Amino acid sequence: KNQVEQSPQSLIILEGKNCTLQCNYTVSPFSNLRWYKQDTGRGPVSLTIMTFSENTKSNGRYTATLDADTKQSSLHITASQLSDSASYICVVSAGSNYQLIWGAGTKLIIKP
Amino acid sequence: NAGVTQTPKFQVLKTGQSMTLQCAQDMNHEYMSWYRQDPGMGLRLIHYSVGAGITDQGEVPNGYNVSRSTTEDFPLRLLSAAPSQTSVYFCATMGELAANTGELFFGEGSRLTVL
Repeated sequence: KNQVEQSPQSLIILEGKNCTLQCNYTVSPFSNLRWYKQDTGRGPVSLTIMTFSENTKSNGRYTATLDADTKQSSLHITASQLSDSASYICVVSAGSNYQLIWGAGTKLIIKP
Repeated sequence: NAGVTQTPKFQVLKTGQSMTLQCAQDMNHEYMSWYRQDPGMGLRLIHYSVGAGITDQGEVPNGYNVSRSTTEDFPLRLLSAAPSQTSVYFCATMGELAANTGELFFGEGSRLTVL
């Protein structure tokens, strides 16, 4: 069964600190892996999309990595800001845009 | 540009009532879809459409109906609401159908409670 698992479920860090969120997947066939940010009460917003051949992709202070061999991805946030408080969702595409397997998300709280 | 607009933002229904969640987009995207989001779970696809007149079922289509008469609009109908349909519903569009890396654009969500 296609699955995407994220860890931790929730994380609290101090403003200015770095953090790394994890995503493990068992999805076949694999097309691409996406990270979304979802603010409370809002819709998800795309951060990065990585294909099989890409192992790192950055979007400002967000850097995603992909290891297709171990089927793992991570999202690293540098110098966190209060506005980074949100849920971060890992999504894997199983062959097409219509076959997206969504993780449950990691809820990140940044404290001043 | 408004992007993807969902209405209503909040709705309370009684079991057995019917209603329609509206979704409109001004990005001329071919692909439109409806997801539901429940606590502790990933988003689940209900129905999707790749163009006017074309719709298909997603992972959890039972109890929901859709139609796509125009490029801009993709309403989601609840035929006879049940408490299990209490959820947050998101409409999402995508412009680059040909590329598997098409980006999804989401509306703000519609929070539905069924009593």
